[in-house]
Amino acid sequence: AQRVTQPEKLLSVFKGAPVELKCNYSYSGSPELFWYVQYSRQRLQLLLRHISRESIKGFTADLNKGETSFHLKKPFAQEEDSAMYYCALSGYSTLTFGKGTMLLVSP
Amino acid sequence: GAGVSQSPRYKVAKRGQDVALRCDPISGHVSLFWYQQALGQGPEFLTYFQNEAQLDKSGLPSDRFFAERPEGSVSTLKIQRTQQEDSAVYLCASSPQRSNQPQHFGDGTRLSIL
Repeated sequence: AQRVTQPEKLLSVFKGAPVELKCNYSYSGSPELFWYVQYSRQRLQLLLRHISRESIKGFTADLNKGETSFHLKKPFAQEEDSAMYYCALSGYSTLTFGKGTMLLVSP
Repeated sequence: GAGVSQSPRYKVAKRGQDVALRCDPISGHVSLFWYQQALGQGPEFLTYFQNEAQLDKSGLPSDRFFAERPEGSVSTLKIQRTQQEDSAVYLCASSPQRSNQPQHFGDGTRLSIL
């Protein structure tokens, strides 16, 4: 069975501080992992996917198969980064989501 | 162009009533997905269509839940004899490809069962 764990429900940081949102997964095959973000009053949207290996809005995430992790990082948080972040794992026809981490960036 | 559209945005029903939730995917998108998101949880997969074919319905929680996409575009999720535990946000997503990525989500329908 595939499973995604996001251990933190809430992460609160000050503007300019580094951010790391943790994600661990369990999957028997070759995983495809994603981060989705939901800003206040907006719909869920794709932030980044591991196969593209790109930085979006300053965020990066590296797939670590040894540790089965896909943590989301940003060196300097901005207030506009405040949102709900979901890690997701792609199976055959489904996405399995974690429970999400609320990121609050204070001025 | 328009994104995924879901209606109604909010639905309140009494326990035991039947409800129908509609999803208009992005035009031309082959794949369509339904998710259920309970309060404080991440979205959970319900069912998946490729064109009009329902290829996976393993996430539907009971036989009270039924989904269709008869012409391969608009989809309807129907819940019969609603129960309080059915209260959740129901999300629809569509994808242009035969695989399940990238998925574009709608705003969801918030269903409250009294």
